[in-house]
Amino acid sequence: NAGVMQNPRHLVRRRGQEARLRCSPMKGHSHVYWYRQLPEEGLKFMVYLQKENIIDESGMPKERFSAEFPKEGPSILRIQQVVRGDSAAYFCASSPPSAAKNIQYFGAGTRLSVL
Amino acid sequence: TQLLEQSPQFLSIQEGENLTVYCNSSSVFSSLQWYRQEPGEGPVLLVTVVTGGEVKKLKRLTFQFGDARKDSSLHITAAQPGDTGLYLCARGSSNTGKLIFGQGTTLQVKP
Repeated sequence: NAGVMQNPRHLVRRRGQEARLRCSPMKGHSHVYWYRQLPEEGLKFMVYLQKENIIDESGMPKERFSAEFPKEGPSILRIQQVVRGDSAAYFCASSPPSAAKNIQYFGAGTRLSVL
Repeated sequence: TQLLEQSPQFLSIQEGENLTVYCNSSSVFSSLQWYRQEPGEGPVLLVTVVTGGEVKKLKRLTFQFGDARKDSSLHITAAQPGDTGLYLCARGSSNTGKLIFGQGTTLQVKP
């Protein structure tokens, strides 16, 4: 996990509020992935981004969820009008700018609790 | 979506015992990763296997990729309480690099 920084580690929101999750990839990594893990389940892919581009968002819910990876600064996963079903652990992973995109290094995650 | 099936789902053993967990798919995949996740933390990459029949060792952990590249196994020798955690296998998508995970094997090693 060394190098991929996620914050906050824990986030509590009330229904209807917005949640913003941040991820700084490992130094030199230009590929960022977001995954969601529900209790007692494996990780589910959400979105894959490179700097200023969304490459694959096939795992993102159609509404309320968005992600960005700007030229400067961390990647942001934004959840608008949160509902209780959004409560989960959200993990960010990064990989280097090479053909080995499957080799991904994960952050410690943000645990979102919706009251 | 081509699923990865992991078995067993839960495993509780005594310190010093050996164990094997499995990861199976109905389709061929080019590579497979094994991760270990501790409670409250993110997954940590243990190994990547890419060649059919490949065997890799990491201390007391032995990873094998099936000859047909449809299955993999993780064998732990003389398990220790520090091995406790969730073991996840994952395959990559050759197009975008996204990882598809199995549901995991939760291992508990009792002292």
